[in-house]
Amino acid sequence: RKEVEQDPGPFNVPEGATVAFNCTYSNSASQSFFWYRQDCRKEPKLLMSVYSSGNEDGRFTAQLNRASQYISLLIRDSKLSDSATYLCVVNFPNTGNQFYFGTGTSLTVIP
Amino acid sequence: DGGITQSPKYLFRKEGQNVTLSCEQNLNHDAMYWYRQDPGQGLRLIYYSQIVNDFQKGDIAEGYSVSREKKESFPLTVTSAQKNPTAFYLCASSEGGSGVLYYGYTFGSGTRLTVV
Repeated sequence: RKEVEQDPGPFNVPEGATVAFNCTYSNSASQSFFWYRQDCRKEPKLLMSVYSSGNEDGRFTAQLNRASQYISLLIRDSKLSDSATYLCVVNFPNTGNQFYFGTGTSLTVIP
Repeated sequence: DGGITQSPKYLFRKEGQNVTLSCEQNLNHDAMYWYRQDPGQGLRLIYYSQIVNDFQKGDIAEGYSVSREKKESFPLTVTSAQKNPTAFYLCASSEGGSGVLYYGYTFGSGTRLTVV
């Protein structure tokens, strides 16, 4: 089993749609979770942390389900500028808190 | 503005050549990391350093070497022993200790290395 798994997509959605991505992780002791956004041929940039109680930042909502070991990202009212690859990032405490990255989920928002 | 700078942006290497990728940060971060990204794959850790003059191998360290003589700098050398070096190389930095758990990584803009 991979440490962090994401559906690679691609997800092609119309403007204004709501889209959700899931990410599963293998280490039940993980306690730090992030979503990063990566544009084509660019570096990843931090989108948001994921807190235990769930958190929202504008149109973006992140959730954590510890029992099932997954995190999710919900994007409401999709914009063309949301088109990117979204990376799930999770720490693994037994590796000195090394972070593992998912392969990313590709999103294209269509006019 | 604080940030992390990688150079060069593009690099071409001939077979059998060693090349060095530069990574400099002025964020006063203790920890620095080198990742490699290949198409369709997640980022894979090459080396990391939590403190000056100390570094550890990541999952794919073979064929690479690093040094951490200054807090601000963490250069990566891709040696001729690395058989498939063509990739996008990303340097990152973070707060030390448990700080990284709250703030995550900051990435440089990357270096695209191609073997010619």
